[in-house]
Amino acid sequence: GNSVTQMEGPVTLSEEAFLTINCTYTATGYPSLFWYVQYPGEGLQLLLKATKADDKGSNKGFEATYRKETTSFHLEKGSVQVSDSAVYFCALGRDSNYQLIWGAGTKLIIKP
Amino acid sequence: DTGVSQDPRHKITKRGQNVTFRCDPISEHNRLYWYRQTLGQGPEFLTYFQNEAQLEKSRLLSDRFSAERPKGSFSTLEIQRTEQGDSAMYLCASRYGLAGRNEQFFGPGTRLTVL
Repeated sequence: GNSVTQMEGPVTLSEEAFLTINCTYTATGYPSLFWYVQYPGEGLQLLLKATKADDKGSNKGFEATYRKETTSFHLEKGSVQVSDSAVYFCALGRDSNYQLIWGAGTKLIIKP
Repeated sequence: DTGVSQDPRHKITKRGQNVTFRCDPISEHNRLYWYRQTLGQGPEFLTYFQNEAQLEKSRLLSDRFSAERPKGSFSTLEIQRTEQGDSAMYLCASRYGLAGRNEQFFGPGTRLTVL
């Protein structure tokens, strides 16, 4: 079946550090992959997406590349800010399946 | 594109009372989802509409929960005889019904507290 596995948190970094949050998936065919972000007390916001192998999604300095050979979609940012503190969710979607398959979420804490 | 809106943003109720939440999706979106989220967890799927038709409902969903989307636009989620375990954030999302456009757009959520 389809599944998404994220690295466990919390991840604690200092401001301006390099960020990687790992996400791997299990799926047949060619799913779309997403990263969503949830700030405290708010709903989920789509951060970036990729719809086919080797696509790179990017937004607000965050990037993730759809790697079919390693079934991964790791989230990266070169220099994090305190305002990036949030919970990040990796998700998988297919046209044939109405649902998104969610990872468990990774809490990111950035210290000044 | 005004985004997905939900009302109310917060609801406090006493155990045993009924509550109703409303979701207004993005107008071009024909698919609508309800999720529940508890602290520290990811979204838990509750139910899904395509236009006005409710196509799927989670097996985990109690019979006390009911959802409607009468005209294929806004949707309501009702919880009858609330219990303290119903306390959570209730999220609504919508999306296009087009191939390759399967990202979901979320509203701000309704936080329910059952006393």
